[in-house]
Amino acid sequence: EPEVTQTPSHQVTQMGQEVILRCVPISNHLYFYWYRQILGQKVEFLVSFYNNEISEKSEIFDDQFSVERPDGSNFTLKIRSTKLEDSAMYFCASSDRRIPDTQYFGPGTRLTVL
Amino acid sequence: TQLLEQSPQFLSIQEGENLTVYCNSSSVFSSLQWYRQEPGEGPVLLVTVVTGGEVKKLKRLTFQFGDARKDSSLHITAAQPGDTGLYLCAALSGGGADGLTFGKGTHLIIQP
Repeated sequence: EPEVTQTPSHQVTQMGQEVILRCVPISNHLYFYWYRQILGQKVEFLVSFYNNEISEKSEIFDDQFSVERPDGSNFTLKIRSTKLEDSAMYFCASSDRRIPDTQYFGPGTRLTVL
Repeated sequence: TQLLEQSPQFLSIQEGENLTVYCNSSSVFSSLQWYRQEPGEGPVLLVTVVTGGEVKKLKRLTFQFGDARKDSSLHITAAQPGDTGLYLCAALSGGGADGLTFGKGTHLIIQP
């Protein structure tokens, strides 16, 4: 069964460094999302992406964050200058909208900022 | 910001018992999804409900969407230790919103 994949599974970085989290959405999906989950808290929406542009973003998704679909398969989340509070699980999701708004999640990248 | 309130927060029962967990809101949703999440992993989709009053069954799991599309329930019959996990509801408000709003989840433990 097709699934969303994410790399790396765990990323450790120093505060102030840039990180890029990578996702390969399900191949026939056109809508892509990033969410984050701080330890012990709810899953929170960051951004959605369709037709090579951001379609919606939350207030969490500030100027330090950016997303890109550099080729036909990858979808990336970049954090330019990481902060301690960016430490979280980051989940990529994708959807084909054929079943209304059903989003399929990847296994996540655990980001630890030291 | 729409809130999804899930109850109970924690539930521990014996194998073979039945249980129901709830997902409530004051907002109307265009669709609602139930996920199950294991520690350190991503949410795994169980079901999407769209129509008010809709009932969907997935083996021993029965999902219902409220008539007014503001709430949902998950009923598990004859719970098994393999059902142990965090059950999350998530919904879209409609109006073009893309991002799912998640509840805090119900931590379910089924004891053998």
